[in-house]
This record gives sequence, structure tokens and C-alpha cells, in this order.
Amino acid sequence: GAVVSQHPSWVICKSGTSVKIECRSLDFQATTMFWYRQFPKQSLMLMATSNEGSKATYEQGVEKDKFLINHASLTLSTLTVTSAHPEDSSFYICSASWNRVDGYTFGSGTRLTVV
Amino acid sequence: SQQGEEDPQALSIQEGENATMNCSYKTSINNLQWYRQNSGRGLVHLILIRSNEREKHSGRLRVTLDTSKKSSSLLITASRAADTASYFCATDGPTSGSRLTFGEGTQLTVNP
Repeated sequence: GAVVSQHPSWVICKSGTSVKIECRSLDFQATTMFWYRQFPKQSLMLMATSNEGSKATYEQGVEKDKFLINHASLTLSTLTVTSAHPEDSSFYICSASWNRVDGYTFGSGTRLTVV
Repeated sequence: SQQGEEDPQALSIQEGENATMNCSYKTSINNLQWYRQNSGRGLVHLILIRSNEREKHSGRLRVTLDTSKKSSSLLITASRAADTASYFCATDGPTSGSRLTFGEGTQLTVNP
């Protein structure tokens, strides 16, 4: 149980376009999901906390207009990278927990390449 | 911001040997968790240790926690080539709002 599905696993887009990444909890309801960004050979940096039915909470330094988060249902959160630039190329990972006691489940990640 | 520091940053061992990775953190915690990440993949939860626990085992994994030193260690015994991955510690604190703070990670390479 506690499976999180992330889609797509990789995407290549042109500069200036927008890309949407989906994160779904398959067998549990997630009122809160988290979005991370990871550069090569580095750790995960929390970008924002996605709250079902309310606005996302962004970490300091993360542009909310650049990275749009929507958590419209208890099983789906989306991250949209708007007007993508090459510096947005990175690995994006979502996570959720049905029970903080047992840790968090992570999606398989999305490799974004902006050309 | 990352509050965890892990050492070593990279560790290379032979199959059958034990691997020990350390993690230090700065603020109070509810629990500390260890995750594994294969290259280019998502994270897999390995083990969670609560702030009132000192040691925990799961299969070939042994985790210790010293809250007085704000440190934890992950021991993998009898390592296998398939254990090759990056290992991250992450803390969940009383003021974190359920957000995890990750350490810098240790890249473990187990040579066959």
C-alpha cells in the first residue's frame, strides 16, 4: 500500500513553454503532498507543500508564479513549471504520507529538460 | 534549507563488507528517517526511528539515534552490489509541519 504515482517520468520541452507534472496517491488520500527539486548529485530541496483545497505553501526563494501547484483532490497534486527556462532543468519529485508514523512515499520523479 | 549533514559523501566497499553512514542534524526532531535512491529514480523509505528510540533493526539495516549528539547512523551489513545507491537521512521535527529536511546524502558503491 501507500503508492505514489508520478507522471511523466521524463519530459523535454522548449524554452518558454509550460510543463505539468502530476502526482497521485493511488491507494490512500493525501491531504498534503510535497514537491522537491533535486540537482545532479545533490540532495532534495523542498520547494512547496501542497494542501488539498487551499493554497500551496512555498519555501523561501521558490517563485510561486513560476511553479504553480494545484491540489484539487485528495489524490492528485500537480506542479506546473511555467515559461520554462534551461535553468529549470532538474529532477522533480513528489511525496505524500498516509501516516507520518511510517514515513513518506515518494513518486518516481520527473526528469525535466528545457532546451 | 538542509539541516542534515552526512558523512562520508561517498563510500566504496567490497561485497560482503559492512557499510556505515552517518547523519547529523541541528534542530529537535520527532523522528529521523533513512531513504535510498537509485540513480535517476525516486526515493524508497528504508527505516524510521523515533526520537525516543536509540536503535532499530530491519533486515540487514541497523539504525542508531543519539539525540544528545543530534546524530544517527545507518549500518548495512553483508553488503551486496544491489545496495549501490545514494542514501539520505531526513528529519521530521515538531515545528516542521510534517515537512522533511534531507541530509546531503552518501553515495554508496558496493563492488562485486
